[in-house]
Amino acid sequence: DIVMTQSPDSLAVSLGERATINCKSSQSVLSGSNNKNSLAWYQQKPGQSPKLLIYWSSTRESGVPDRFSGSGSGTDFTLTITSLQAEDVAVYYCQQYHSAPITFGQGTRLEIK
Amino acid sequence: EVQLVESGGGLVQPGGSLRLSCAASGFTFSSHWMHWVRQAPGKGLVWVSRITSDGSSTIYADSVKGRFTISRDNAKNTLHLQMNSLRAEDTALYYCARVGSGSSNDLWGRGTLVTVSS
Repeated sequence: DIVMTQSPDSLAVSLGERATINCKSSQSVLSGSNNKNSLAWYQQKPGQSPKLLIYWSSTRESGVPDRFSGSGSGTDFTLTITSLQAEDVAVYYCQQYHSAPITFGQGTRLEIK
Repeated sequence: EVQLVESGGGLVQPGGSLRLSCAASGFTFSSHWMHWVRQAPGKGLVWVSRITSDGSSTIYADSVKGRFTISRDNAKNTLHLQMNSLRAEDTALYYCARVGSGSSNDLWGRGTLVTVSS
């Protein structure tokens, strides 16, 4: 199984500042068939279902604000939120869908400082 | 409206069974692979099972293999999860999730809570 490890476990950032969440996979999630990284980021606000933010490691889902961006390749990935807004308070998860079983990171809790 | 609505959760004794359902609407259900993902209270997301669009192929997490069965009825736009031999550690909020064009889960239901306790 591919193990996904996020860092940090929790993060407090001031409004308007940048938040950076890291995700490391135990093996590469780069697909040889399409040369894309099978890595997604989800946002889960309190009491809500997860929401897809980023897929293929850097493609923003329709309707997601452009302050959210994803980067990385192979085994190391980053979710960046520029200019943090109050509504961004949530737990963020990375997910690999390169191979079964699909696995998620443990989550990173983002709060306002 | 494009949505997924889960149902069928509840309180069940260890060793018991439950059948979860996920009703899809607003999109062509038969074109999409589907997943079940669960979340224990206060914990993270854990993938449970996946089924292809025509139902011909299914896979499971090791923790549920042999106990859970995923299925779908494309004529009724419904996904199911039959859960047998339930254990306390199966207690969780169960989400159904659609696989989108980006191969990730682009649509999630609100979840249905399963509690396994005597």
